[in-house]
Amino acid sequence: AQSVTQLGSHVSVSEGALVLLRCNYSSSVPPYLFWYVQYPNQGLQLLLKYTSAATLVKGINGFEAEFKKSETSFHLTKPSAHMSDAAEYFCAVSHSGAGSYQLTFGKGTKLSVIP
Amino acid sequence: DAGVIQSPRHEVTEMGQEVTLRCKPISGHNSLFWYRQTMMRGLELLIYFNNNVPIDDSGMPEDRFSAKMPNASFSTLKIQPSEPRDSAVYFCASRNEGTSPDTQYFGPGTRLTVL
Repeated sequence: AQSVTQLGSHVSVSEGALVLLRCNYSSSVPPYLFWYVQYPNQGLQLLLKYTSAATLVKGINGFEAEFKKSETSFHLTKPSAHMSDAAEYFCAVSHSGAGSYQLTFGKGTKLSVIP
Repeated sequence: DAGVIQSPRHEVTEMGQEVTLRCKPISGHNSLFWYRQTMMRGLELLIYFNNNVPIDDSGMPEDRFSAKMPNASFSTLKIQPSEPRDSAVYFCASRNEGTSPDTQYFGPGTRLTVL
């Protein structure tokens, strides 16, 4: 079984400030981890993914995430927030092997950027 | 690349009516997924097809829901009869299981309102 917990359903940051969105996972097998972004009235767009290679993963739009097995975490960060980053962000977990199609999503974190 | 295409983008119907949602996956992708997104339950996988064959429909809420994939470039999700609790955003996603099995690409979604 696998699950994802995103801490904070809503995060507000000032423009230019650090963005930190938290994700913790539970998985009985080595996980694949993803961050997706959803802009208003749009579908989900893949930001970045971890699939057992480098633990620090760089994605689009200046975002990155670090896989920490000891903390079962995959937090998303960006050094300097931009107004265009305002969106909802979803962390998801999957795995290789049987049932690997199964993406389990967190509840999402809505990011607001204050000018 | 046109991405995953869904139609209609918005659907408003009355309780008891039949609703059909449509999806065209990315050309060359051989896996297709239908998801439902609600405030209460977040993103849920409804059904997964591989090479046009339904592999896992355990997420389909009840017999009122049915999904088909008659060919590699088209899928439908049908609700008959529809109920107000079916109101949600329905997403279709596709992936190429051979070259990128860990990455799903999402369509823009269909926002369904059942009155």
